[in-house]
Amino acid sequence: NAGVTQTPKFQVLKTGQSMTLQCAQDMNHEYMSWYRQDPGMGLRLIHYSVGAGITDQGEVPNGYNVSRSTTEDFPLRLLSAAPSQTSVYFCASSYSGMGTDTQYFGPGTRLTVL
Amino acid sequence: GQQVMQIPQYQHVQEGEDFTTYCNSSTTLSNIQWYKQRPGGHPVFLIQLVKSGEVKKQKRLTFQFGEAKKNSSLHITATQTTDVGTYFCAWHPSGANSKLTFGKGITLSVRP
Repeated sequence: NAGVTQTPKFQVLKTGQSMTLQCAQDMNHEYMSWYRQDPGMGLRLIHYSVGAGITDQGEVPNGYNVSRSTTEDFPLRLLSAAPSQTSVYFCASSYSGMGTDTQYFGPGTRLTVL
Repeated sequence: GQQVMQIPQYQHVQEGEDFTTYCNSSTTLSNIQWYKQRPGGHPVFLIQLVKSGEVKKQKRLTFQFGEAKKNSSLHITATQTTDVGTYFCAWHPSGANSKLTFGKGITLSVRP
């Protein structure tokens, strides 16, 4: 199993550009989520999904869209990139999202918005 | 709202010294998880604590859940350079099973 994969690993955008960060898992996990990591801020939840067709907002959803058309994929879309979205983005998955589940993280995407 | 503080944010130790970090909550937690992130890497699950007063050990790492389930500690005995990284506690806010929330993390550096 590849686990959780993310592409691209690095990305540089100009303000106002849009892009999609890709995330896929091959563990048949129902729950998937996106976090951003900024210095001194820990990991903050952006959006999450408890199954195909179901998404919900996390702590910092503004400026991001998600959809979940399949169990395997959970892309994160930046509609109009801003410098404040410069961050490291992690995708994670778990079996069900229940409180006792282990979260498996992807390797991350390092995004810079100029 | 539920507040969980992870203290301190940074700690520098000499190799061989012991190290302890804490997560403190204002309310009772159903369970708590600990993750480790190596520099440049991604968070990796270490352990989960569920029961009041629970203690679990992984080699030189000892994890404890408080009797009131409001705090948790991670203790590393005789730190090594391989212990370098950021350690996060994580929990689910009350009534929100799917929103795993992370503390700000503590970054440990070890002087050889």
